[in-house]
Amino acid sequence: QVQLVQSGAEVKKPGASVKLSCKTSGYDFSGYYINWVRQAPGQGPEWMGWVNPNSGGTDYAQKFQGRVSMTRDTSISTAYMELTRLRSDDSAVYYCALERGETATFHYWGQGALVTVSS
Amino acid sequence: QSALTQPASVSGSPGQSITMSCIGTDSDIGSYEYVSWYQQHPGKAPKLMIYDVSNRPSGVPDRFSGSKSGNTASLTISGLQAEDEADFYCSSYSGSSTPVIFGGGTKLTVL
Repeated sequence: QVQLVQSGAEVKKPGASVKLSCKTSGYDFSGYYINWVRQAPGQGPEWMGWVNPNSGGTDYAQKFQGRVSMTRDTSISTAYMELTRLRSDDSAVYYCALERGETATFHYWGQGALVTVSS
Repeated sequence: QSALTQPASVSGSPGQSITMSCIGTDSDIGSYEYVSWYQQHPGKAPKLMIYDVSNRPSGVPDRFSGSKSGNTASLTISGLQAEDEADFYCSSYSGSSTPVIFGGGTKLTVL
């Protein structure tokens, strides 16, 4: 079965960076774009961007341009998301999620990773 | 790009049917068939319930159905069950600089 296992919770200070991982299994790694979606407490999800597992190409939400980087390692079927210059309003649960092509449909989700930004 | 607009809450009794709405614009729901609905229980990841406006993934009960009219999408749950109580989020492809947008969520309470 398809599984996405994310790295653990992180606590960071404002201005720092965080890099999260998403290890996938149970499917052809090339078959789905890997997206990152975050959700602040009590809020709806917010799409951050995707990485194409085949080409490594990316597309980021305008809001995160210049602060986010999404990469993948095909040898271990793992995707990464790095967010820099963290602010307190970046505190959220970050999910990786699989999308088949650019359909805005997330068929499978990781368990989430809580990132807390606090001085 | 503004989020899609959802009612904050809806409620129904077991066995009843409810419908929740998701209002977008001509740039998203009104122009694309890529509308999805997700169910989220507390502390859990969202789960895909409806995609491409009205399609159900394997394993989702046929009590869940989706539709769209103009800039508004709807999710209907018939034969409400206690385990349906959760937050529900809609999403849509958008032709803006942010190609995926979500709604703010609707809390479903089963009375």
